[in-house]
Amino acid sequence: AQTVTQSQPEMSVQEAETVTLSCTYDTSESDYYLFWYKQPPSRQMILVIRQEAYKQQNATENRFSVNFQKAAKSFSLKISDSQLGDAAMYFCAYNAYKRSGGGADGLTFGKGTHLIIQP
Amino acid sequence: KAGVTQTPRYLIKTRGQQVTLSCSPISGHRSVSWYQQTPGQGLQFLFEYFSETQRNKGNFPGRFSGRQFSNSRSEMNVSTLELGDSALYLCASSLSSRSLARSYNEQFFGPGTRLTVL
Repeated sequence: AQTVTQSQPEMSVQEAETVTLSCTYDTSESDYYLFWYKQPPSRQMILVIRQEAYKQQNATENRFSVNFQKAAKSFSLKISDSQLGDAAMYFCAYNAYKRSGGGADGLTFGKGTHLIIQP
Repeated sequence: KAGVTQTPRYLIKTRGQQVTLSCSPISGHRSVSWYQQTPGQGLQFLFEYFSETQRNKGNFPGRFSGRQFSNSRSEMNVSTLELGDSALYLCASSLSSRSLARSYNEQFFGPGTRLTVL
């Protein structure tokens, strides 16, 4: 079974600074997807960034980037120029690739990291 | 395009009762997945429905069941409620294209239903 571990229950960063959230995972699959989701106080889960395991290049989305280390099974999220609106729970998630289509197999989530932005 | 909607948003039940939650996916989306979120266990996958069939299932007891209708709307049912069933229940929809082309169908989440069992 796949597992996702987020070792930082809470992180705090000054506005405009950079913060890195850690995630490690365990799987026997070679082809999979990794995600970072954001859940603000409204509880709406929002996809922040996605990484496909077969791609060596790290994914980036504006101020958000990942450091994907496949051999180490590590997947960290870097948020640059932190903004007050970034304050939320951040969840790392895993999904195995399914050739039959979709891959909507059921995401496996970590326990989350509560990110606090200090003004 | 309207997002994923879930009804009701809040629900209070007592132990032993049963409850039905509803999820309407984004128009055109054929897959609906359900997740339970609790402070202790975190986010856990319940099941996924595609074309009115349960395609995948998480590790939950048989008291948790679901179904999907021909318009892709989905319901989940919990029978004989226990205190531990108090949670935020999230549903997510995706296109789940049957194309062989390698493309990931993003799951879009609804706002959730907060269930409290007394």
